[in-house]
Amino acid sequence: QKEVEQDPGPLSVPEGAIVSLNCTYSNSAFQYFMWYRQYSRKGPELLMYTYSSGNKEDGRFTAQVDKSSKYISLFIRDSQPSDSATYLCAMSAYGGSQGNLIFGKGTKLSVKP
Amino acid sequence: ETGVTQTPRHLVMGMTNKKSLKCEQHLGHNAMYWYKQSAKKPLELMFVYNFKEQTENNSVPSRFSPECPNSSHLFLHLHTLQPEDSALYLCASSHNPRQGYGYTFGSGTRLTVV
Repeated sequence: QKEVEQDPGPLSVPEGAIVSLNCTYSNSAFQYFMWYRQYSRKGPELLMYTYSSGNKEDGRFTAQVDKSSKYISLFIRDSQPSDSATYLCAMSAYGGSQGNLIFGKGTKLSVKP
Repeated sequence: ETGVTQTPRHLVMGMTNKKSLKCEQHLGHNAMYWYKQSAKKPLELMFVYNFKEQTENNSVPSRFSPECPNSSHLFLHLHTLQPEDSALYLCASSHNPRQGYGYTFGSGTRLTVV
């Protein structure tokens, strides 16, 4: 079983739709959960960061972590064409191997005008 | 630019060539990383440097040789690569490698081995 599972998509939605992106994981030691956004020909940029369980909201973006189910989600409300990118989930355990962020494969999202 | 600059942006090299990738960060971070991003695969950690000391080598073949002369600069020296080494090589930096968040990535070097 892979440590982090993420549906690679691609996912295509109309402008204004609510987008739900998800990852599941197997390592119960993970405490830091992140979503990165990667535009074409660019490196990943940190979009949302959550520690342990709970929700975090930033504008149109909401990150949810359910540690009991080992499941994390990113919701995008009122999606825009500029949200078209690949979204990578990443997670790590504090004090674990240095630099060892475990990434999902990424979900490619396309928002059509 | 994110504060992490990588050069060159694109590189095509033969299997017998020697080349180097360069990364520079202006964020005052103490840790720097090399990641490999291949199609349909998760990002793979290659090397970690903390205060310019290598702290992780993730079972990377010796044809990849990192160098970190100071906390702001990181190099990846390449020699006798294989076609399967073609990928996007990403440099990243952060304040604390044990915290597992707050990484800033560069735009990467797209490497093609022919």
